Amino acid sequence: EDQVTQSPEALRLQEGESSSLNCSYTVSGLRGLFWYRQDPGKGPEFLFTLYSAGEEKEKERLKATLTKKESFLHITAPKPEDSATYLCAVMNSGYSTLTFGKGTMLLVSP
Amino acid sequence: EAGVAQSPRYKIIEKRQSVAFWCNPISGHATLYWYQQILGQGPKLLIQFQNNGVVDDSQLPKDRFSAERLKGVDSTLKIQPAKLEDSAVYLCASSLSGGAYEQYFGPGTRLTVT
Repeated sequence: EDQVTQSPEALRLQEGESSSLNCSYTVSGLRGLFWYRQDPGKGPEFLFTLYSAGEEKEKERLKATLTKKESFLHITAPKPEDSATYLCAVMNSGYSTLTFGKGTMLLVSP
Repeated sequence: EAGVAQSPRYKIIEKRQSVAFWCNPISGHATLYWYQQILGQGPKLLIQFQNNGVVDDSQLPKDRFSAERLKGVDSTLKIQPAKLEDSAVYLCASSLSGGAYEQYFGPGTRLTVT
């Protein structure tokens, strides 16, 4: 059974204080690892897909990396508008459905 | 490009009543998904359609939940009868096809069962 564990559950940062979110996963064969951002009252918004260990992707202040057991979402010099819940999900190579973690709730204070 | 549309946005019903949710995916997207998201949890897949055929409904409580996708476009998810534990946000998502294509989510329908 595919499993995704995200840590920490919640993270509070000051504006400009860089940090990382962790996503640990177990899957029999990884087709892709996905990061989403979810704002209160809205559906998840796609950020990145990573396919193989060693891959990295960047978007503005966000950088996602992937190893064989975990993924990190690095947030550099965050701003209050980066406050949201960040969700990690894996897709098994055997099918095309996503298994999500519970998410990390990020709050960035000015 | 218009996003995934869902209605209603909010619904309050009593237990044992029935309810239906509607989803219109992004134009041209062959694959449609319904997820259930309980407060504090990540989304959990209920059912996946490829065009108008069901690909995966292994986690759909079939004694009370049903879903259909009309002509491979719009979809409806129904709950009958509802239970208290069905209180959640129901999210619809679509993607170009199955596989590792990104899924685009709608705003969701927040269901409260009292």
